[in-house]
Amino acid sequence: LAKTTQPISMDSYEGQEVNITCSHNNIATNDYITWYQQFPSQGPRFIIQGYKTKVTNEVASLFIPADRKSSTLSLPRVSLSDTAVYYCLVGDVGAAGNKLTFGGGTRVLVKP
Amino acid sequence: EPEVTQTPSHQVTQMGQEVILRCVPISNHLYFYWYRQILGQKVEFLVSFYNNEISEKSEIFDDQFSVERPDGSNFTLKIRSTKLEDSAMYFCASRGDREDYTFGSGTRLTVV
Repeated sequence: LAKTTQPISMDSYEGQEVNITCSHNNIATNDYITWYQQFPSQGPRFIIQGYKTKVTNEVASLFIPADRKSSTLSLPRVSLSDTAVYYCLVGDVGAAGNKLTFGGGTRVLVKP
Repeated sequence: EPEVTQTPSHQVTQMGQEVILRCVPISNHLYFYWYRQILGQKVEFLVSFYNNEISEKSEIFDDQFSVERPDGSNFTLKIRSTKLEDSAMYFCASRGDREDYTFGSGTRLTVV
């Protein structure tokens, strides 16, 4: 599984855009990039997944450059309720079993 | 939106006692997992289960742990003789073929 590196923490203010960059230099051809969100005392929740270029959904955008060695999760106009830990994971979605390997994640604190 | 349901939400047990953590995965999902998260630490993979058998397990998942899908809907994690270091949040997750993971909200296990 490709190792990922992301900042330990980030602070932001309500209404701002938050961008979290994840490095995954040894990403494999079959690997997808997936981001999860975890609130305290809750299970991780899928946010967004991509393979290359840009993916957008109702929650976030994911930007992946052509070399795929990094990715950036963008949260537009954050609110206090977006305070959570955000995990970047890289792996082969289609692989049978396909356990998830979580790193430390990025702890995002949204301030009023 | 379909959910993974875990019961109980909180379990307190004495060291050496057996505990069974219960999960109801999403009905059409094929792969089932248990993860745990010790307070303040990473989410760790324990075991994956597919086609009524364990497909992969981590070093944490020793002989004290077992999983079962007794009736086609429930998925259980048993810890035979709990230790203090088993205190953690335990998350059940399920996924369909090439689908994203859905995690439950977890069971907080406290061993005293």
